[in-house]
Amino acid sequence: AQSVTQLDSQVPVFEEAPVELRCNYSSSVSVYLFWYVQYPNQGLQLLLKYLSGSTLVKGINGFEAEFNKSQTSFHLRKPSVHISDTAEYFCAVKWGGSQGNLIFGKGTKLSVKP
Amino acid sequence: DAGVIQSPRHEVTEMGQEVTLRCKPISGHNSLFWYRQTMMRGLELLIYFNNNVPIDDSGMPEDRFSAKMPNASFSTLKIQPSEPRDSAVYFCASRMGLRTYNSPLHFGNGTRLTVT
Repeated sequence: AQSVTQLDSQVPVFEEAPVELRCNYSSSVSVYLFWYVQYPNQGLQLLLKYLSGSTLVKGINGFEAEFNKSQTSFHLRKPSVHISDTAEYFCAVKWGGSQGNLIFGKGTKLSVKP
Repeated sequence: DAGVIQSPRHEVTEMGQEVTLRCKPISGHNSLFWYRQTMMRGLELLIYFNNNVPIDDSGMPEDRFSAKMPNASFSTLKIQPSEPRDSAVYFCASRMGLRTYNSPLHFGNGTRLTVT
């Protein structure tokens, strides 16, 4: 079965430190890849997406992610985090050929400390 | 752009009662999705519609759950009768098109349901 794995349920970091949130998915068959962010008491917002082309994707708020087909990964990175980045981050995958639904990972809670 | 609007924001009800969650998608969006978020299971797709027609309801957990989209600007998710294990945050999301991934999925702020 197709699945999305976010290995870290919680990631605590200090402000201005770099961060990487990991995402792996179950198959390298044609995929579309997404990262969403959820702030407290809000819905999810799109951070960035990979559809095709360059494997390094830049998103909002200084985040970027790299598509690695051989490792079936799409890790999210930011070189220097801010307190305001504290939120939950969800990786989502849509496999080519299936109808319009995304499969979401269980999320990673990023906690940025001063 | 008012975004996806969900009501109510919070709902507390007793086991056995009927619960109706409401969603107004973004104007012009023709795909609508209902998700449920829990600590244990994360974000699960329950059902989605395209042009008001249900496309896939395989994620609906039981017959107690039903969803309708009578027109392009309104959808409901009903649970009857409700049970404590239905307690979760329910999200509605909408998008232009079903397979158009250049159009992002827009989420509402969710309805937090507590069934006692």
